[in-house]
Amino acid sequence: GQQVMQIPQYQHVQEGEDFTTYCNSSTTLSNIQWYKQRPGGHPVFLIQLVKSGEVKKQKRLTFQFGEAKKNSSLHITATQTTDVGTYFCAGSRGSWGKLQFGAGTQVVVTP
Amino acid sequence: GAGVSQSPSNKVTEKGKDVELRCDPISGHTALYWYRQSLGQGLEFLIYFQGNSAPDKSGLPSDRFSAERTGGSVSTLTIQRTQQEDSAVYLCASSPNSWERSTDTQYFGPGTRLTVL
Repeated sequence: GQQVMQIPQYQHVQEGEDFTTYCNSSTTLSNIQWYKQRPGGHPVFLIQLVKSGEVKKQKRLTFQFGEAKKNSSLHITATQTTDVGTYFCAGSRGSWGKLQFGAGTQVVVTP
Repeated sequence: GAGVSQSPSNKVTEKGKDVELRCDPISGHTALYWYRQSLGQGLEFLIYFQGNSAPDKSGLPSDRFSAERTGGSVSTLTIQRTQQEDSAVYLCASSPNSWERSTDTQYFGPGTRLTVL
């Protein structure tokens, strides 16, 4: 079945540093979504990527969808303490609405 | 506007008891999803509703788990004869359109934290 893997599982970042988290699928995806879950909170939608090679930016966050539509990445520049949380990617293989969530990357930021 | 709401926010129960978890999706949202999240883990898909029907129940862990949705709105997830391994946060999400639109954003509720003693 479809598997969505995220690496790293855990990321410890110094405030001001950049980091990247990766999402890989065993099958071609029709689209990929990214969600952020703050500690004690619930997942909140960040962005969706649909096109091969698509790149989208939200302030210090850059999201990319691979050419083969099997992988995606989230790059955060100049990390801030507000970036703390778990970032999930979720992919869908077809037009069907079921999203397969990755296990998430837990981000801890130290001042 | 109101988001997805879930009740109760916390539930502590004894092993063997039945529990009911409720989800009120965003008004007008057709699709409704239940997920389970164990401590420090990702989201485990349980069941999906399109209107009142459930095209996909594949994620339900056992026959102790069941869910229904009435009036295309409120959904109830029932766990019978709870076990300690059922302890987790149960999240509900809704999205506006048909399940055929996989590009829909899912809006999550705050979750119900279930603890089985």
